[in-house]
Amino acid sequence: GDSVIQMQGQVTLSENDFLFINCTYSTTGYPTLFWYVQYSGEGPQLLLQVTTANNKGSSRGFEATYDKGTTSFHLQKTSVQEIDSAVYYCAMRDMAGNYKYVFGAGTRLKVIA
Amino acid sequence: EAAVTQSPRSKVAVTGGKVTLSCHQTNNHDYMYWYRQDTGHGLRLIHYSYVADSTEKGDIPDGYKASRPSQENFSLILELASLSQTAVYFCASSDRGSNERLFFGHGTKLSVL
Repeated sequence: GDSVIQMQGQVTLSENDFLFINCTYSTTGYPTLFWYVQYSGEGPQLLLQVTTANNKGSSRGFEATYDKGTTSFHLQKTSVQEIDSAVYYCAMRDMAGNYKYVFGAGTRLKVIA
Repeated sequence: EAAVTQSPRSKVAVTGGKVTLSCHQTNNHDYMYWYRQDTGHGLRLIHYSYVADSTEKGDIPDGYKASRPSQENFSLILELASLSQTAVYFCASSDRGSNERLFFGHGTKLSVL
């Protein structure tokens, strides 16, 4: 079945550090790939999405790239700030008929001032 | 602004009791979803629906039922609540298009004692 693997459970950085979170996916269909962010006490919200045709997306200083060869997509930010502390989820939407979203396990980012 | 409203925001239930979590969306979306969030597991799909009066099983449907009486409303029902169902539950909606994102509610924190 479809799956998304997100290995980094927790990441702690200092302000102005570089952030890199990686996910791999598996599907027989044609997915759209997403990054969601969840701040404390709130529901997840879309950070950015990457279609296979574009291979890259960006929003709020974050950038996501997609590698079709390795079926991986990652999120990066050049210089994180304390307000970026949150849980980040990668997700995939399967277009093969049932429109399900599959999420990774999430990465909790803590940025220290 | 797309809106998904969940009620209650938190609930304490007794083992063996019946629990109903409600979700209402004003987005005019076809798809609605119920996810469960646990530390280390991310977001797991319980049930979803793409049309009123019809529901589909997600990845972890055991112990849960769902009801979609109208396009706007989607309920999650725990007929016999168990300790293992203590978690945060999120409702979400999305449109039908291939690149459409999920809109989440704020979540319901359920504690089964």
